[in-house]
Amino acid sequence: DGGITQSPKYLFRKEGQNVTLSCEQNLNHDAMYWYRQDPGQGLRLIYYSQIVNDFQKGDIAEGYSVSREKKESFPLTVTSAQKNPTAFYLCASSKYTQGYSNQPQHFGDGTRLSIL
Amino acid sequence: AQKITQTQPGMFVQEKEAVTLDCTYDTSDPSYGLFWYKQPSSGEMIFLIYQGSYDQQNATEGRYSLNFQKARKSANLVISASQLGDSAMYFCAMREDNQGGKLIFGQGTELSVKP
Repeated sequence: DGGITQSPKYLFRKEGQNVTLSCEQNLNHDAMYWYRQDPGQGLRLIYYSQIVNDFQKGDIAEGYSVSREKKESFPLTVTSAQKNPTAFYLCASSKYTQGYSNQPQHFGDGTRLSIL
Repeated sequence: AQKITQTQPGMFVQEKEAVTLDCTYDTSDPSYGLFWYKQPSSGEMIFLIYQGSYDQQNATEGRYSLNFQKARKSANLVISASQLGDSAMYFCAMREDNQGGKLIFGQGTELSVKP
């Protein structure tokens, strides 16, 4: 079945440590997105990519980095510069076309990151 | 300013009754889309329904319908014949077509269905 796989499901980070969250999709989607969700809140966009080898900052990119070397993969690194990383991280993908489009974003099951 | 506003942090509904979840939005882009997602306690985001700004008719998908009032900039989700499995967080989101496919989410409404 086609879908989006995020791993790990739970992740613990020590102070000063970088950690990488994995996101893989086999939907042949061009666009991929990373969101952060804090308890009781909506989703906020961290980074997004519309095409391989290109990505843009979202609303809360500070302390995070991404790469898009393959169409299927969009890993997110939470760096030590992110002082409050405890949150639920969701990866999404969608078909991307310029202008008017009704394509929804499809989401993975998320990764819960906590500070040790 | 908030682009997506969901004013109901929590809602209760009796099983088998209908419920309306409110969503208002703010945009100057004439071309945009509105989405509703369901998030159960397990955390995954499930796409429910879509409404485009140029669509003439309100969207429907099974028990879900969208009450789209463009002049009032509202896109309320109506769930008919509520089921216990409908208990979840519901998020309204907007995509502005000149913003590269990004979604802007509201704060969500927690729906509880009572037996």
